[in-house]
Amino acid sequence: DAGVTQSPTHLIKTRGQQVTLRCSPKSGHDTVSWYQQALGQGPQFIFQYYEEEERQRGNFPDRFSGHQFPNYSSELNVNALLLGDSALYLCASSLAGTGYEKLLFGSGTQLSVL
Amino acid sequence: QQQVKQSPQSLIVQKGGISIINCAYENTAFDYFPWYQQFPGKGPALLIAIRPDVSEKKEGRFTISFNKSAKQFSLHIMDSQPGDSATYFCAASHSRGSTLGRLYFGRGTQLTVWP
Repeated sequence: DAGVTQSPTHLIKTRGQQVTLRCSPKSGHDTVSWYQQALGQGPQFIFQYYEEEERQRGNFPDRFSGHQFPNYSSELNVNALLLGDSALYLCASSLAGTGYEKLLFGSGTQLSVL
Repeated sequence: QQQVKQSPQSLIVQKGGISIINCAYENTAFDYFPWYQQFPGKGPALLIAIRPDVSEKKEGRFTISFNKSAKQFSLHIMDSQPGDSATYFCAASHSRGSTLGRLYFGRGTQLTVWP
């Protein structure tokens, strides 16, 4: 089992551009959450998807949007990139309900905005 | 506003020593408190977790102590090893309601264990 797979591993963009990050959850998991981890900080919750809908959202602007596909994979889109969006973006998968106790993180996508 | 406060920011311990990391929270609705370990280039991995109905949980060399009245919890790593050198995050979550399963992380503690 490959666990949670994220792509790409690294990405360099310039201010104002748009970016799409991808995540494949662990086999059997149906819920995907996205976190932003700035350098030297703890992960910050962006949003969570279940049954192809956004179920929860953290304190992030509308420039951050997402999608979940029928096979449970997910995308994170960020529009109009700012320098402050440079961070490690983590995808985590779980089973709905009490599955958050077994939350499994991917290795992340390192986004650099120049 | 940081919902979970973690200290110290960095910690250096001799091999065989005890590493202690502390966290505090304000929201009494939190009822699940995990600790995560993160190595460079990797995502956080669940280490150990506790619920507020117990005051201590031990798994191998790792122990969580929980003080509900003080709204504090801590991670103790006994017999610390160089392989334990990593960043440790405490977190808190609700097990019900609209924020079910959302993790609120502390800022992290960079642990270095010297051989």
